[in-house]
Amino acid sequence: DTGVSQDPRHKITKRGQNVTFRCDPISEHNRLYWYRQTLGQGPEFLTYFQNEAQLEKSRLLSDRFSAERPKGSFSTLEIQRTEQGDSAMYLCASRTGTYDYGYTFGSGTRLTVV
Amino acid sequence: AQKITQTQPGMFVQEKEAVTLDCTYDTSDQSYGLFWYKQPSSGEMIFLIYQGSYDEQNATEGRYSLNFQKARKSANLVISASQLGDSAMYFCAMREISQGAQKLVFGQGTRLTINP
Repeated sequence: DTGVSQDPRHKITKRGQNVTFRCDPISEHNRLYWYRQTLGQGPEFLTYFQNEAQLEKSRLLSDRFSAERPKGSFSTLEIQRTEQGDSAMYLCASRTGTYDYGYTFGSGTRLTVV
Repeated sequence: AQKITQTQPGMFVQEKEAVTLDCTYDTSDQSYGLFWYKQPSSGEMIFLIYQGSYDEQNATEGRYSLNFQKARKSANLVISASQLGDSAMYFCAMREISQGAQKLVFGQGTRLTINP
């Protein structure tokens, strides 16, 4: 297991289009997080899954955003009707419930909306 | 809600010198955890070091150490003998628990540049 994988690494899309990102966590990690990072800022929490259950969603996650984690394995984050303000790095992280620390982040998907 | 403040947008250091990156935090919780991450230009957040609020000793991991001053609510990262490969963004983060979910809250980061 080589860590958290995110796909694609880069996505350029036209305003108004829908995009979907995928995250494959470390296999034994039952907790999965999505963060958004805009230029020059720290990552901001978007949503959290424990197994397949989505337990928390940030108010940053508007109705155009939806996330799923079917079967408690990989997760997808979809943005509908993209806007220029959605341009950001989208980071996925996973961890086990065993340790207080131990978050592992993926390399992120950089979204550019033109 | 927890808050992390990093007041140094950028730091420039000569290779082999030690560098301290500042981090202050605000929380009303008695039990909390503090983290430092490194983010190179590739984008991945790399875990460096962790300090629990009840840990009596400052955390150390190789060239990284955390100067934890609980009364001052500060958790500064010290990098000894800096290397060119240390050039990156550095983020301080705190564990927050809300709605039963544990997650990380990040500061704005400090861009560290190591000069040869």
